[in-house]
Amino acid sequence: QVQLVQSGAEVKKPGSSVKVSCKASGGTFSNFAISWVRQAPGQGLEWMGGIIPIFGTANYAQKVQGRATITTDESTNTAYMNLNSLRTDDTAIYYCARTVVLVGATLGWFDPWGQGTLVTVSS
Amino acid sequence: DIVMTQSPDSLALSLGERATINCKSSQSVLYSSNNENYLAWYQQKPGQPPKLLIYWASTRESGVPDRFSGSGSGTDFTLTISSLQAEDVAVYYCQQYYSTPPTFGGGTKVEIK
Repeated sequence: QVQLVQSGAEVKKPGSSVKVSCKASGGTFSNFAISWVRQAPGQGLEWMGGIIPIFGTANYAQKVQGRATITTDESTNTAYMNLNSLRTDDTAIYYCARTVVLVGATLGWFDPWGQGTLVTVSS
Repeated sequence: DIVMTQSPDSLALSLGERATINCKSSQSVLYSSNNENYLAWYQQKPGQPPKLLIYWASTRESGVPDRFSGSGSGTDFTLTISSLQAEDVAVYYCQQYYSTPPTFGGGTKVEIK
């Protein structure tokens, strides 16, 4: 059973960057996508973007387009999410999630999820 | 983007009672070519990541207790907990995957009265 293990909590200044990692253990990303979903304190879930490793291209939510970069390293079964030009409203728990790929390369449901990484942006 | 609206925002029920959570999409998530509804449900307990309960609107994920069931089609969906247990205290989210970006409902908090 694959598990996703994420890197630890980060505290960043506004305007800086953060890179969060997500390593698959007990399995691989093969034939799946990896998505990143964030959750601001006390709020709901927001999809940020996803990548299908066998295709190598990522899609992003409009809100983070141009600031977020999602990559994978298949040799280590690790995915990364880099977010630039951090703002205080980027403060959130960031989750990676393995994502089913449907016909037409459509992203499906998310399962399993990583444990989450708290990113705090504060001056 | 498809907007997902859940109701109620919260509900408090006694142990053993039936819980009903509604989810409405701003456009149909029924794909005509395969007659599948592109909708999933998740459970998030405090301090934990979300957990997949149901996909294709009514297919229960392996290991999910059968007191959880999903129903509905098109734009209107329901998650039902047939007999509420203490361990079901959580926030429940619906999610559409009909179109990119995938979007979530705002969540429904379930508590024990």
